[in-house]
Amino acid sequence: ENVLTQSPGTLSLSPGERATLSCRASQSVRNNHLAWYQQTPGQAPRLLIYGASSRATGIPDRFSGSGSGTDFTLTISRLEPEDFAVYYCQQYGSSEYTFGQGTKLDIK
Amino acid sequence: EVQLLESGGGLVQPGGSLRLSCAASGFTFISYAMTWVRQAPGKGLEWLSDVSASGTDTYYAVSVKGRFTISRDNSKNTLSLQVNSLRVEDTAVYYCARHFYGSGFSPFDYWGQGILVTVSS
Repeated sequence: ENVLTQSPGTLSLSPGERATLSCRASQSVRNNHLAWYQQTPGQAPRLLIYGASSRATGIPDRFSGSGSGTDFTLTISRLEPEDFAVYYCQQYGSSEYTFGQGTKLDIK
Repeated sequence: EVQLLESGGGLVQPGGSLRLSCAASGFTFISYAMTWVRQAPGKGLEWLSDVSASGTDTYYAVSVKGRFTISRDNSKNTLSLQVNSLRVEDTAVYYCARHFYGSGFSPFDYWGQGILVTVSS
């Protein structure tokens, strides 16, 4: 099983600031098959980024993904009020897909 | 518009069974692999099971293998998850989701709203 560890657990920032979220895998993620999801309370997750760096349809360009191998990053360039949520990374490069434990992005 | 609608959840005693269903619409169901993911209260996401577009190939997380069975009926655009020998720790919101590409090894681009399963005596 490829274990994904996200950091930090909670990130407290203000609207307009830049957010940097990290996801580290215990094994190299095959073909950089790494996705990021956003989840707000009571809602299903929403796909933001796939293939480590490709934005899903309709996702604003303030969201960007980077990284390869075992280290990946989600960056939100200028936080909007609706961006305060929980973010999960997921690897889908092996037949047992795994998620990170999540990073909660809080309003400071 | 792609829609996924889960049903079949509820309260069940430990050791009991449920059959969760997911009705799909707005896309060519037979062309996409499908998946189930759950989320325990206040916890993160856990992938459970995958089924190929044709239904011939299935995959399971180690934690549920042997207790959960995924299936699909492409004539009815329906995905199912039979959950047996339920434990208190299976209490969660269960989501069905669609794979981004027609095959597996792709992220999940559309999700249902989730259905709550509560295992308690």
